[in-house]
Amino acid sequence: DAGITQSPRHKVTETGTPVTLRCHQTENHRYMYWYRQDPGHGLRLIHYSYGVKDTDKGEVSDGYSVSRSKTEDFLLTLESATSSQTSVYFCAISGADWALDEQYFGPGTRLTVT
Amino acid sequence: GIQVEQSPPDLILQEGANSTLRCNFSDSVNNLQWFHQNPWGQLINLFYIPSGTKQNGRLSATTVATERYSLLYISSSQTTDSGVYFCAVSNTGNQFYFGTGTSLTVIP
Repeated sequence: DAGITQSPRHKVTETGTPVTLRCHQTENHRYMYWYRQDPGHGLRLIHYSYGVKDTDKGEVSDGYSVSRSKTEDFLLTLESATSSQTSVYFCAISGADWALDEQYFGPGTRLTVT
Repeated sequence: GIQVEQSPPDLILQEGANSTLRCNFSDSVNNLQWFHQNPWGQLINLFYIPSGTKQNGRLSATTVATERYSLLYISSSQTTDSGVYFCAVSNTGNQFYFGTGTSLTVIP
């Protein structure tokens, strides 16, 4: 299995609170992704990174920001959490040889916003 | 982006039965993967198959890129095959596009 960890694995927070989720990889893959998964919607891309300090938006980026200051870490921040951001968040990596190839997923973070 | 459609959306099988899951996509791709999400939520890589045929035990997959579809075959299904199967594709960009999945339930 690819070395991908996510922290925290579970979090409950209140509306209006900032939240940061962390994805850490030990594989030196180029690409990193944040997805959210909700019933009936499958996996939806929030943001992704194609290198250190290089990021771009996905289809559901409103209310989220990301940062990647080093290859191994990709942070997802909810500036002011809302109940609609209650979801399971998955991190993924790709690009073992620096080109887009097989994608591997982390274990997920379950976030509940009350 | 690329539209990805998976069929059927839901499937219930008796243990031991065979099944075929389909993934259609709207544009040419150079990257296609099949994933299994188990009942605990873990996403497991099954096949990386942008073209051709691969087999792994009771599972096999075929991608016909020129006709824009891929098939996942499950033979002699087991209860541990239950879960959701996702297809994901990409072409020249940096993103993957996912289908909404096929939910499989295998009954003992």
